[in-house]
Amino acid sequence: EAGVAQSPRYKIIEKRQSVAFWCNPISGHATLYWYQQILGQGPKLLIQFQNNGVVDDSQLPKDRFSAERLKGVDSTLKIQPAKLEDSAVYLCASSSTSGIRTPQYFGPGTRLTVL
Amino acid sequence: KQEVTQIPAALSVPEGENLVLNCSFTDSAIYNLQWFRQDPGKGLTSLLLIQSSQREQTSGRLNASLDKSSGRSTLYIAASQPGDSATYLCAVRPRSNDYKLSFGAGTTVTVRA
Repeated sequence: EAGVAQSPRYKIIEKRQSVAFWCNPISGHATLYWYQQILGQGPKLLIQFQNNGVVDDSQLPKDRFSAERLKGVDSTLKIQPAKLEDSAVYLCASSSTSGIRTPQYFGPGTRLTVL
Repeated sequence: KQEVTQIPAALSVPEGENLVLNCSFTDSAIYNLQWFRQDPGKGLTSLLLIQSSQREQTSGRLNASLDKSSGRSTLYIAASQPGDSATYLCAVRPRSNDYKLSFGAGTTVTVRA
């Protein structure tokens, strides 16, 4: 079974530029998550999708971050414009359901550096 | 708000020694606790998931215990190997309307050959 795929793996941009990340979850997984992991910290949930609907985006900085999962499969996360403090690893995860007892499976992440 | 703490932040041991990693959480009302492994430049790999009704879970050389009343979990890795070098994170899922996983900052383990 293929795991969660993410691209690109690394991205370096200047502040105020825009950037987009892509995630393809495990086949058949209805729930998709985007996390932000700042160096030295644990991941923080940015947004959770159930199929193509948003379940939780309470910690997403909506003035600059946006995410979509139009067909309920792959997803994109966009930052526009980027700030220095957005430097982090952006992790995508998926699970078969949104059930609280269901484990999440993580992709390799995209490391973003904002200069 | 659930706070998850992992101490120490880093640990270095010689090969063959048993590893003991600690995780504490402030709110004992949880659904489950999960231990993850993170290798440099890679995502998180789930190691063990302990439901709130369980006391421990085992997988090979790994054993995780859960004591909800004291807000603690311990991950034991027996007979450590250099390949066990990684960062280990614990995450709890709270029993509340805010059911998001709360992660600790992790313990970075180095096993010296």
